[in-house]
Order: sequence, then C-alpha cells, then structure tokens
Amino acid sequence: SAVISQKPSRDICQRGTSLTIQCQVDSQVTMMFWYRQQPGQSLTLIATANQGSEATYESGFVIDKFPISRPNLTFSTLTVSNMSPEDSSIYLCSVISDRDSNQPQHFGDGTRLSIL
Amino acid sequence: GEDVEQSLFLSVREGDSSVINCTYTDSSSTYLYWYKQEPGAGLQLLTYIFSNMDMKQDQRLTVLLNKKDKHLSLRIADTQTGDSAIYFCAEDAGNMLTFGGGTRLMVKP
Repeated sequence: SAVISQKPSRDICQRGTSLTIQCQVDSQVTMMFWYRQQPGQSLTLIATANQGSEATYESGFVIDKFPISRPNLTFSTLTVSNMSPEDSSIYLCSVISDRDSNQPQHFGDGTRLSIL
Repeated sequence: GEDVEQSLFLSVREGDSSVINCTYTDSSSTYLYWYKQEPGAGLQLLTYIFSNMDMKQDQRLTVLLNKKDKHLSLRIADTQTGDSAIYFCAEDAGNMLTFGGGTRLMVKP
C-alpha cells in the first residue's frame, strides 16, 4: 500500500491564526481525502481533494474555512483558517490508490492540532 | 442517511477471543472495513470484506458479514495486550467512508 506522510504531526496554535497541513504520498494515487477526528469522536469527511480543480466539500464544511489544494497525484494540503478552540482535532489524510480496482482507503498518521 | 453503530467498550483477558460488532444501514455498501487506532496514532487498515462475501479470515482476524441484518463483526483470536486500541468499522458506498463511533478494546493481562 502507499506510504502516506503528514506534516506537521502535531502543533499548538493561537486562535485566529491559520495552519497548513501537508499530505505526501510515495506513489501516484487516484483519490485523496481529508478527515477530521474531534476529541473522543469518530472520523468525519471534510472533503475530497480533486487534482487540478476545486475540492468537493461535505455538508458543514466550507472552502473559506478549510481551503484545500491538490496540485498533482501525490500531494495535497489542507489549511485550517482563522482557528478557534473548536478546531482542536486530529486531521487525517487518506488515499485510494486506484479507484477503478476498488482499492481500500489508507490513512496517514494524522496531524494533532490544539488551539489555545 | 447512513448510520454505522458500534458498542463503545469491550474488555477481555489476554488469550481470550474478542468480538467487536457493528451495524450499518446502507445496503448499497460495496466494502466494509475494520480500522485500528492505537493511542496517538492514525488509522491502520486491518481488513476489509466485499459485500458479496460472508466471511473473511486473515491470521487471527475473522470478519463475518450478515448482509440481511446489516451486521458486521470482527473476531480477534488469542487477543494480546498489543491489540488494545480503538477499532472502527466503516462502510464504503462510492468511495465515501462512513465510520462507526469506534469500540475501545481493553486487554487485561
């Protein structure tokens, strides 16, 4: 399976600031996704990162708050903008290597974000 | 909409078998997954089952799928202390995963 690296692994930020999280894959993948895991909760899909076009956001998530880039088939970024304590979560990147062959989703180790 | 449910907590003794249960609602799910999350770590894909299968075995792991009842289970044989983690089931309908709330497995020595 693809090796997925997320940076940073954790950060502590001041409210009102923004942080960009990077997701790098060691091979080209068809699909990339961003999830949020709030403390003690399960995972919620934020958006599907589309290569060369705007991300597809799920209900409750908007581009102004969570801008996403995907410039190529191995890299994506998620920015958490104008952060508040409610944004304290683990943010996880996941990938599907080849959508057409029904490959499962694999996850990175996540970015643990705390907002003071 | 889809809703995936799991019990919150399971405690077993080392060497016993663990059975973690999950119910889902989307009958169009193609795959059903089990992920493991250890403290401070991301999600590790443990195993998955295609919706036209009833059972899948992989070393100590056995997945049972009852499609009629929309019930999925994960059995861990000879449970070890290293199996202590949170286990998430997830259903996949068109590449979008819907996760259960997770079951915290505690293994007592």
